[in-house]
Amino acid sequence: GAGVSQSPRYKVAKRGQDVALRCDPISGHVSLFWYQQALGQGPEFLTYFQNEAQLDKSGLPSDRFFAERPEGSVSTLKIQRTQQEDSAVYLCASSLVDSYEQYFGPGTRLTVT
Amino acid sequence: DAKTTQPPSMDCAEGRAANLPCNHSTISGNEYVYWYRQIHSQGPQYIIHGLKNNETNEMASLIITEDRKSSTLILPHATLRDTAVYYCIVRGPNDYKLSFGAGTTVTVRA
Repeated sequence: GAGVSQSPRYKVAKRGQDVALRCDPISGHVSLFWYQQALGQGPEFLTYFQNEAQLDKSGLPSDRFFAERPEGSVSTLKIQRTQQEDSAVYLCASSLVDSYEQYFGPGTRLTVT
Repeated sequence: DAKTTQPPSMDCAEGRAANLPCNHSTISGNEYVYWYRQIHSQGPQYIIHGLKNNETNEMASLIITEDRKSSTLILPHATLRDTAVYYCIVRGPNDYKLSFGAGTTVTVRA
């Protein structure tokens, strides 16, 4: 069956631009997660949704980062006024319920120049 | 505060078993040991998890010591496609997020 998909796969943004990264989770998965992975490091948690409710956004690095999942399915991670330190791979994962195995998408590689 | 310790890298020969160690000396009684791997340019992939007993599935086996302070992931017949970063994660029963460390970079050589 279809897995988690993310788009775009690659994004180059000039410093100061806004970007929007999309995640399509596995159909029927209640929980959705965003992680950020810097080069050579493991993924770091950003935020968590249960259906449309954002239950934890403690990992978002600044108020320039914003995530939404308005209908409890597709999610968008938005980064405003991008900075070079935002360059990373942004991974989306979904799971049937929050404590089950998470299924990851391929990630979006964001490069801020 | 890292909950797990893994060697940064290891090599293994194609066709041989790969044994990946993980130390988790501060694990609590109700915390699980999870293993994920990440092949280059892909997202992490779930492999296996366990609490106390050894576990086996189509991908790997997980051996947890009796005191639960360490575990070993075994890939029984490593192939070139098993080259990846392997992450050992300790996770409570109600934890929803995964806390990845640096993992072990496993290189399978022909």
